[in-house]
Amino acid sequence: EPEVTQTPSHQVTQMGQEVILRCVPISNHLYFYWYRQILGQKVEFLVSFYNNEISEKSEIFDDQFSVERPDGSNFTLKIRSTKLEDSAMYFCASSPLATNTGELFFGEGSRLTVL
Amino acid sequence: ELKVEQNPLFLSMQEGKNYTIYCNYSTTSDRLYWYRQDPGKSLESLFVLLSNGAVKQEGRLMASLDTKARLSTLHITAAVHDLSATYFCAVDPGTYKYIFGTGTRLKVLA
Repeated sequence: EPEVTQTPSHQVTQMGQEVILRCVPISNHLYFYWYRQILGQKVEFLVSFYNNEISEKSEIFDDQFSVERPDGSNFTLKIRSTKLEDSAMYFCASSPLATNTGELFFGEGSRLTVL
Repeated sequence: ELKVEQNPLFLSMQEGKNYTIYCNYSTTSDRLYWYRQDPGKSLESLFVLLSNGAVKQEGRLMASLDTKARLSTLHITAAVHDLSATYFCAVDPGTYKYIFGTGTRLKVLA
């Protein structure tokens, strides 16, 4: 069964460093999302992406964050200068056409630890 | 801004008992989703509810949607230990911005 894959599964970085989290969505899906979840807390929307541009973004998704679909298969989230409060689990999700059920399919997540 | 609230936040129940988790949301939407999350794991899709009055059942779980009341319920029948997890509802207001509820952490005691 097709699945969303994410790398790395865990990344430890120093505060102020740049981090890139990678995702390979399900191949025929058109909508892509990043969510984050601070340990044990709610799942927070960061950004949605469709047709090579951002569709929606949250207040969390400030100038430190960016997304890109560089090659038609990968979907990346870049954090330019990490802060301690960026430590969280980051989930990528994809969804097929909006006329479909709209169900989101999630990857296994990338745990980011900022020291 | 869309708000999605669940209650209870924590639920400890005995095996064999029934209980209902509630999901309230603040704006019009015809699409609501339920997900399950085990500790340290990803989000697994449980139910997709796409219209008013929709009801879906899978095993001991049944989900329903009342769009007029802006309410969805997840009913657990005769709980078993394997159902212990955190359950999230998520609402799609039609803007590519699915908002998740606060989550309900369920613990089923043997």
